[in-house]
Amino acid sequence: DVVMTQSPLSLPVTLGQPASISCRSSQSLVHSDGNTYLNWFHQRPGQSPRRLIYKVSNRDSGVPDRFSGSGSGTDFTLRISRVEAEDVGTYYCMQGTHWPPVTFGPGTKVEIK
Amino acid sequence: EVQLVESGGGLVQPGGSLRLSCAASGFTFSSSWMSWVRQAPGKGLEWVANTQPDGSEKYYVDSVKGRFTISRDNAKNSLYLQMDSLRVEDTAVYYCARAGDFDFWGQGTLVTVSS
Repeated sequence: DVVMTQSPLSLPVTLGQPASISCRSSQSLVHSDGNTYLNWFHQRPGQSPRRLIYKVSNRDSGVPDRFSGSGSGTDFTLRISRVEAEDVGTYYCMQGTHWPPVTFGPGTKVEIK
Repeated sequence: EVQLVESGGGLVQPGGSLRLSCAASGFTFSSSWMSWVRQAPGKGLEWVANTQPDGSEKYYVDSVKGRFTISRDNAKNSLYLQMDSLRVEDTAVYYCARAGDFDFWGQGTLVTVSS
């Protein structure tokens, strides 16, 4: 199974400042079809996860452009250019290249300082 | 508008059974892979099972193999999860989601396994 790790697991941030979350996989996430199936999700307390980014760097409809995804192979990053209050919650990366099983990272909890 | 609405959760004793349902609307359900994903209290997300659009192929996480069965009724735009031989560690919020993309998620239904 592909193991997904994230760092940090807890991220205190200042409003208006940038933030960055790292996600690493135990093996390359490049699929034989050439795509890399790495998604990012945001989950607020008491809510369902919401997909922000798909296939490494594609932002979902309605997701603010302060969110961006990058990376390749086994190393990926989610960046928030200027953190806003609504960005608090937990962020998960997920790989869908080598399944079953689909695997998620442990989550990074973002809170305002 | 896409909607996924889960139901069927509740309190069950260890060893018991429960059947979850997910009603889908707003997208072509019959053409979509579908998933169940769970989240234990205070924990992260864990994929549970996937089913192919026609229901012929099904995949499970090792911890539920032989105990859980994913199924679907495309005529009713519905996804199901039959959970048997439930264990305390199956306690979680169970979400249905459109698999592959994981772009659509339901609000979840809580399953509590406790004596």
